[in-house]
Amino acid sequence: GENVEQHPSTLSVQEGDSAVIKCTYSDSASNYFPWYKQELGKRPQLIIDIRSNVGEKKDQRIAVTLNKTAKHFSLHITETQPEDSAVYFCAASHRDDKIIFGKGTRLHILP
Amino acid sequence: EAGVVQSPRYKIIEKKQPVAFWCNPISGHNTLYWYRQNLGQGPELLIRYENEEAVDDSQLPKDRFSAERLKGVDSTLKIQPAELGDSAVYLCASSSPGRQGEAFFGQGTRLTVV
Repeated sequence: GENVEQHPSTLSVQEGDSAVIKCTYSDSASNYFPWYKQELGKRPQLIIDIRSNVGEKKDQRIAVTLNKTAKHFSLHITETQPEDSAVYFCAASHRDDKIIFGKGTRLHILP
Repeated sequence: EAGVVQSPRYKIIEKKQPVAFWCNPISGHNTLYWYRQNLGQGPELLIRYENEEAVDDSQLPKDRFSAERLKGVDSTLKIQPAELGDSAVYLCASSSPGRQGEAFFGQGTRLTVV
């Protein structure tokens, strides 16, 4: 079955700097890659996603890139702000809707 | 539009006792997921429904866990008997037809087994 690896597990960046979180997946049949943000004690919320027919997608300060050949995808957050502090999860999904999550990255934005 | 609703938010039970969690998905969402999230980990899929059919329950510990979605709308996840290692947050999520993989999560039920 699908396996999603996520790195790093913890990331600290200075406010205003960029943060990058990387994930790899094992099943070449996966074709949908969402990213979720989870604040402490709250539900995971979808923040951006990318499908396998595109290589990059951007939404304001966040962007995702996908390399299908290498089976890895990344989340990029620019001009980080205190409210970006949270745990971020990558995930991979097949056409059959099964969603497999990575173990998460705890992002700390330092003042 | 209401989001995914789960209850209860918190539950504390003694080991060997039964417990049940309820989920009402977003209206019109035919896919329903139950995930378990241990502290500091990502959500792990327990079971996935398409309407009333359980299409993926390979990760559900069937000796003690059961789930149902009788009318293809709300769902119940049960544990009987609970063990200490079942302490976790149980998350329900749903997605709509044609929006493959875009899951919307409920607030979760935090279960503590003592």
